[in-house]
Amino acid sequence: GEDVEQSLFLSVREGDSSVINCTYTDSSSTYLYWYKQEPGAGLQLLTYIFSNMDMKQDQRLTVLLNKKDKHLSLRIADTQTGDSAIYFCAPLMDSSYKLIFGSGTRLLVRP
Amino acid sequence: NAGVTQTPKFRVLKTGQSMTLLCAQDMNHEYMYWYRQDPGMGLRLIHYSVGEGTTAKGEVPDGYNVSRLKKQNFLLGLESAAPSQTSVYFCASRTGTPVEQYFGPGTRLTVT
Repeated sequence: GEDVEQSLFLSVREGDSSVINCTYTDSSSTYLYWYKQEPGAGLQLLTYIFSNMDMKQDQRLTVLLNKKDKHLSLRIADTQTGDSAIYFCAPLMDSSYKLIFGSGTRLLVRP
Repeated sequence: NAGVTQTPKFRVLKTGQSMTLLCAQDMNHEYMYWYRQDPGMGLRLIHYSVGEGTTAKGEVPDGYNVSRLKKQNFLLGLESAAPSQTSVYFCASRTGTPVEQYFGPGTRLTVT
């Protein structure tokens, strides 16, 4: 089946940039999403990129897409302690309109 | 707009009991989804609906049933709860184009 891989954990110092990486297998995904989940909460849609784009910038967030390598990344500039959360990459399976989730990357921001 | 809401927020069931989780959205979305999230894992799709009166199976449908009698509501039923169904359940709904999927706050279910 379709698969999404993410590293499990990332620790950065406050003020630094964070880069969270994701690889996926479904080459037909038209939209690829990033969600944020804080402890005990639901998933918050952060941003997404359309598959015909290489990059999308949204305030402190930059999404890079390498469609050939099926690699997606999320860069958070000037990372703050409030950014500590689990981040999920989720490509959309066009054939079934379903999101496929990875296990998530836990981001810890140290003061 | 309340967005996507879920009731209840927490529930404890004994093995063999039944219950229904309710999801409601006020955004007039056609598509609605039920996921479960287990510790250290991403979300897995249980069932989904592409419109009022329609439902379809996701990755892990066994032990669950759903109904979409009204566009704004999507119900998830457990007929005979098992400990393996202990999880956090999330409902979601989405727009058409561009595709944006929004999640509810979750229901934490424990089956003893």
